[in-house]
Amino acid sequence: ELKVEQNPLFLSMQEGKNYTIYCNYSTTSDRLYWYRQDPGKSLESLFVLLSNGAVKQEGRLMASLDTKARLSTLHITAAVHDLSATYFCAGESGTYKYIFGTGTRLKVLA
Amino acid sequence: DTAVSQTPKYLVTQMGNDKSIKCEQNLGHDTMYWYKQDSKKFLKIMFSYNNKELIINETVPNRFSPKSPDKAHLNLHINSLELGDSAVYFCASSQETDLYLVYFGAGTRLSVL
Repeated sequence: ELKVEQNPLFLSMQEGKNYTIYCNYSTTSDRLYWYRQDPGKSLESLFVLLSNGAVKQEGRLMASLDTKARLSTLHITAAVHDLSATYFCAGESGTYKYIFGTGTRLKVLA
Repeated sequence: DTAVSQTPKYLVTQMGNDKSIKCEQNLGHDTMYWYKQDSKKFLKIMFSYNNKELIINETVPNRFSPKSPDKAHLNLHINSLELGDSAVYFCASSQETDLYLVYFGAGTRLSVL
């Protein structure tokens, strides 16, 4: 069964700095997703990565996928306070079964 | 116009009671889900339905009974509530033609006292 691990679990960073969140998964996943959850809110999708080497960017966030290493990364460039949230990656463990990582709680300090 | 709507938003109840959470999606998706998020933010799939048919039942106690009267609705009934059922329950939906992106409802925060 697919297992998805993220690190770090908690991340506190200064505004303007860069950092990367890592998502390792244990078995093949056809797609890899990234979601964001603000405190007390629902989850919203950020990226879906479909193939090896895929890279997607939106604003200060960039996600990439290395299927051989079973690794996806979410890179944050020049962090701003508005990026403070919990970020989840998720993979597919069979059709209609998405396994979410533990989440990374990001806090961007002014 | 909310894509995935669930009610109620908050549910506070006593142990042993029975409660229901309703979910509706207006996205025209074929697949709907229930997820449970615990106090540590860990998100776990409970059920998946595709075209009203149960596809995934992730070893959830049979006190939890989902019902899908049509593709747009997936309700969750919980019998004999226990303290450990306290969590946030998210309804969600997805569609193959949308890369299976999962759209989540706002969540129902269930507190069992």
